[in-house]
Amino acid sequence: DAGVIQSPRHEVTEMGQEVTLRCKPISGHDYLFWYRQTMMRGLELLIYFNNNVPIDDSGMPEDRFSAKMPNASFSTLKIQPSEPRDSAVYFCASRAWTSSYNEQFFGPGTRLTVL
Amino acid sequence: DAKTTQPPSMDCAEGRAANLPCNHSTISGNEYVYWYRQIHSQGPQYIIHGLKNNETNEMASLIITEDRKSSTLILPHATLRDTAVYYCIVRAYSGGGADGLTFGKGTHLIIQP
Repeated sequence: DAGVIQSPRHEVTEMGQEVTLRCKPISGHDYLFWYRQTMMRGLELLIYFNNNVPIDDSGMPEDRFSAKMPNASFSTLKIQPSEPRDSAVYFCASRAWTSSYNEQFFGPGTRLTVL
Repeated sequence: DAKTTQPPSMDCAEGRAANLPCNHSTISGNEYVYWYRQIHSQGPQYIIHGLKNNETNEMASLIITEDRKSSTLILPHATLRDTAVYYCIVRAYSGGGADGLTFGKGTHLIIQP
């Protein structure tokens, strides 16, 4: 299995631009999570999905952030418009419902820089 | 989820056992102790978890005190590749459900050659 796949790995954009981050979870996993990591705040959960349905988006910082999961194998996290304070590493993780424990598998992350 | 306290950093010599402590004095009866680690520029990686019994897998051992208020992650023969930030997370296992993980600041373990 290729693991969780994220793209792009690095993104540099200018303030005000739209940014779309992409994630392909591990095949067969029912849960998908989006996290953000910054030096100041560490790793934070933004949103998670179960069977493509958003369950908890309380961590999404502002209306500028939106996430979708149109099917079991793809999710996007969109920031529009982007701001310099959105600069961070964004991780996607997935988990199987059948897992006997709460192990989450993380992708390599997307490093976003907003100038 | 119960709060955890970990030392911000630790050093360990290569080949020696690395013992990483975690305090979770407010842990409740249905909460598990999970350990993840994050190697530089990578996503977090699950290591091990336990409820009250000691656990061992191919990566590490987890020792939980009898009162469950603290635990120790043991890497038996640390290598340079074990240099990472180690996170101790306490949370209830929600059966078929799943919530996101709450990461603290963790312990930055540095393996010295």
